[in-house]
Amino acid sequence: KAGVTQTPRYLIKTRGQQVTLSCSPISGHRSVSWYQQTPGQGLQFLFEYFSETQRNKGNFPGRFSGRQFSNSRSEMNVSTLELGDSALYLCASSLEDRADFYEQYFGPGTRLTVT
Amino acid sequence: GNSVTQMEGPVTLSEEAFLTINCTYTATGYPSLFWYVQYPGEGLQLLLKATKADDKGSNKGFEATYRKETTSFHLEKGSVQVSDSAVYFCALTMSSGYSTLTFGKGTMLLVSP
Repeated sequence: KAGVTQTPRYLIKTRGQQVTLSCSPISGHRSVSWYQQTPGQGLQFLFEYFSETQRNKGNFPGRFSGRQFSNSRSEMNVSTLELGDSALYLCASSLEDRADFYEQYFGPGTRLTVT
Repeated sequence: GNSVTQMEGPVTLSEEAFLTINCTYTATGYPSLFWYVQYPGEGLQLLLKATKADDKGSNKGFEATYRKETTSFHLEKGSVQVSDSAVYFCALTMSSGYSTLTFGKGTMLLVSP
């Protein structure tokens, strides 16, 4: 079956701009989570959506937002980009919103560079 | 809050050597524990998991045992291969935590022929 796809794979933006990243989960999966990966902070949880509802949110400023559509596809948006937002953004999907029971499948990520 | 601490890398081994990557956790309650692996240019893949104390997760020759008394979940493999070179992440989730995973910072493993 097709895996989790993320678009675009690479992105270069200028400080102050905004960006939208997209994630298409595995067919049938209803839960989508987003993570930011940086060399300094490692993998940090951004937010999780299940059936179009945000179920959980990490400790990130309000510039980071997301949403999930009825087909379970998800987007995340970062407004007023800062240099520190440069990172690999990973999306993960699972059947249900219980990570202890349902395996999380990760996409390859979107590499965002802010200049 | 919950947290995961992993040994820093890189861990450099020769092929067929024994591997141990240490992982300890702090959590309020009883988490489920995971090891994920990330190959260059790819996303994370679940390697193994354990959901309760004394459970042993295993996959592809890797093993880890959930030790509640020492709050640890160390990853081991008896004989590593060059193809095992990757970054390994220890992670936890709580039963009330939806799909949220808390990750350690990752340990890079480099295996030479």
